[in-house]
Amino acid sequence: GAVVSQHPSWVICKSGTSVKIECRSLDFQATTMFWYRQFPKQSLMLMATSNEGSKATYEQGVEKDKFLINHASLTLSTLTVTSAHPEDSSFYICSARDRQDNSPLHFGNGTRLTVT
Amino acid sequence: GNSVTQMEGPVTLSEEAFLTINCTYTATGYPSLFWYVQYPGEGLQLLLKATKADDKGSNKGFEATYRKETTSFHLEKGSVQVSDSAVYFCALSPPGTYKYIFGTGTRLKVLA
Repeated sequence: GAVVSQHPSWVICKSGTSVKIECRSLDFQATTMFWYRQFPKQSLMLMATSNEGSKATYEQGVEKDKFLINHASLTLSTLTVTSAHPEDSSFYICSARDRQDNSPLHFGNGTRLTVT
Repeated sequence: GNSVTQMEGPVTLSEEAFLTINCTYTATGYPSLFWYVQYPGEGLQLLLKATKADDKGSNKGFEATYRKETTSFHLEKGSVQVSDSAVYFCALSPPGTYKYIFGTGTRLKVLA
């Protein structure tokens, strides 16, 4: 089946630094990828839609200058958390849509970010 | 607007018990409906889906039927196992979009 690989699976960084999270579709091409954030014991909140070759579309309330998204190829999207603060600590999950069919979204295994 | 409401957990069951996790939705048109499962420390895995009214999705002994008249998509399993312990998310995707809207998730704990 289709696989979405997310890296790293966990990361700890200091306040003020930036962290990059990668999301790759391993065996399919994804024109669209989605980035979600999950707070403890809560649901997934859609942060932004990443479109290959164009600017990402951010959901209301999500700071685009803080959460930089780049979708440079059909198999890779990156989320960079800039100038991270402890309140950015969360579980970030990406998902991707196979451009070839209408199958449901495929999800990565998530990245646990802890900002100290 | 579009929304998904799930029963609050946690749900604690003994092994081989019957499981029902309620899910209702609000949407315009005919959305696609999904159940995803999340094991500890992992991402989401698609459990089952239904794309039109009266469709029944099934996988690994789990079932859910798309009920347009009651706007529901309840998840059921006849006999749960300890390995089914996880968080279950109900989700919808409005027609013509791949934006998924998730419910708050229901934690299931199955005791041996």
